[in-house]
Amino acid sequence: EDQVTQSPEALRLQEGESSSLNCSYTVSGLRGLFWYRQDPGKGPEFLFTLYSAGEEKEKERLKATLTKKESFLHITAPKPEDSATYLCAVPKPNAGNNRKLIWGLGTSLAVNP
Amino acid sequence: EAQVTQNPRYLITVTGKKLTVTCSQNMNHEYMSWYRQDPGLGLRQIYYSMNVEVTDKGDVPEGYKVSRKEKRNFPLILESPSPNQTSLYFCASSSRDGFKETQYFGPGTRLLVL
Repeated sequence: EDQVTQSPEALRLQEGESSSLNCSYTVSGLRGLFWYRQDPGKGPEFLFTLYSAGEEKEKERLKATLTKKESFLHITAPKPEDSATYLCAVPKPNAGNNRKLIWGLGTSLAVNP
Repeated sequence: EAQVTQNPRYLITVTGKKLTVTCSQNMNHEYMSWYRQDPGLGLRQIYYSMNVEVTDKGDVPEGYKVSRKEKRNFPLILESPSPNQTSLYFCASSSRDGFKETQYFGPGTRLLVL
């Protein structure tokens, strides 16, 4: 079954304490993997798209990497404003024209000052 | 400013009272979609539209209707809301270029059906 699993469900860090979030997937013929950030009560906000194993992308304190089975979102020296839920998603195989995504349930990150 | 807007942001209604949640985007995007987000279930697609007058079901379409008469607007209609439709709803849009573009999400509509 095609699915996306994120771990951990929740993570609490001290400001400056680096860590990584995991997104593992079991879809065939991966056509990309998306990372989004969601603040409470708001819509998801796009962060990164990764298309092939070995690809890496960075934005401020965030760095996303992709292997054949999973993606990591590395957070270096996080700040309290990085607190949010981080979602990953992959395109559903054989979805035709529908940009149907399979979403993970997210990792809720809290960064304490 | 490029954005997706939704109205209302919060809505409390009663079972069976028809309601419409509006969605509008100003980016000239062809693709629009409605999601609902529930604890433990994540984001689930309700309906999507590839362009004007082209709509199709997502994963959880039961109890919902949509229309796409204009490119910028994609309203979600609940003809007879039930308590199990209490949820957080998001509209999203993206340009028509395969998967090499991002989806832009609206701010969400929190619906409570009593």
